[in-house]
Amino acid sequence: TQLLEQSPQFLSIQEGENLTVYCNSSSVFSSLQWYRQEPGEGPVLLVTVVTGGEVKKLKRLTFQFGDARKDSSLHITAAQPGDTGLYLCAGAYDYKLSFGAGTTVTVRA
Amino acid sequence: NAGVTQTPKFQVLKTGQSMTLQCAQDMNHEYMSWYRQDPGMGLRLIHYSVGAGITDQGEVPNGYNVSRSTTEDFPLRLLSAAPSQTSVYFCASSYSTGYGEKLFFGSGTQLSVL
Repeated sequence: TQLLEQSPQFLSIQEGENLTVYCNSSSVFSSLQWYRQEPGEGPVLLVTVVTGGEVKKLKRLTFQFGDARKDSSLHITAAQPGDTGLYLCAGAYDYKLSFGAGTTVTVRA
Repeated sequence: NAGVTQTPKFQVLKTGQSMTLQCAQDMNHEYMSWYRQDPGMGLRLIHYSVGAGITDQGEVPNGYNVSRSTTEDFPLRLLSAAPSQTSVYFCASSYSTGYGEKLFFGSGTQLSVL
């Protein structure tokens, strides 16, 4: 049973559009991480959020941790083809990580 | 900067065969782990190690063995491959930041068991 549910499963948008990916759980996490994975490669850590309500920005990517530390969102502004990939969230608990199934994002030029 | 190196990149096995997936890291991380990635299921932890000589089971350990004789190496052994073990396998090394692990993944091994 996965602790984290990601939505949507797939997302295809045109270059320049905005998108939001969600990561939800009924469990509380000590921190939450977001990774991006490209085909044929391993996931690469983008950000870690720790405090409830925390917002972190990484260029055009905005990450938010829910107030209750059970959910998170990733918002991409003016998406570019280079943002294409599988976005994974992972929640930390008992010094382990539980991963969501991921959202496949395709940005069309 | 090699980071985490996995070999082989691709492997095809017949049911019942055995093999070892190799993983090496050059970042001197104490923690290493193995995950499998299946469509729609995300990454699931198979085994992990908190240091040389110490290993423990993760979420899906059945059918896999590990050992950690050095800090650098953490091989994953399939003793008798089954079609259910067809998957993409990722090795990761990590260090603790105080509020969670920061993982560095290898590029994966795509395994098919016929």
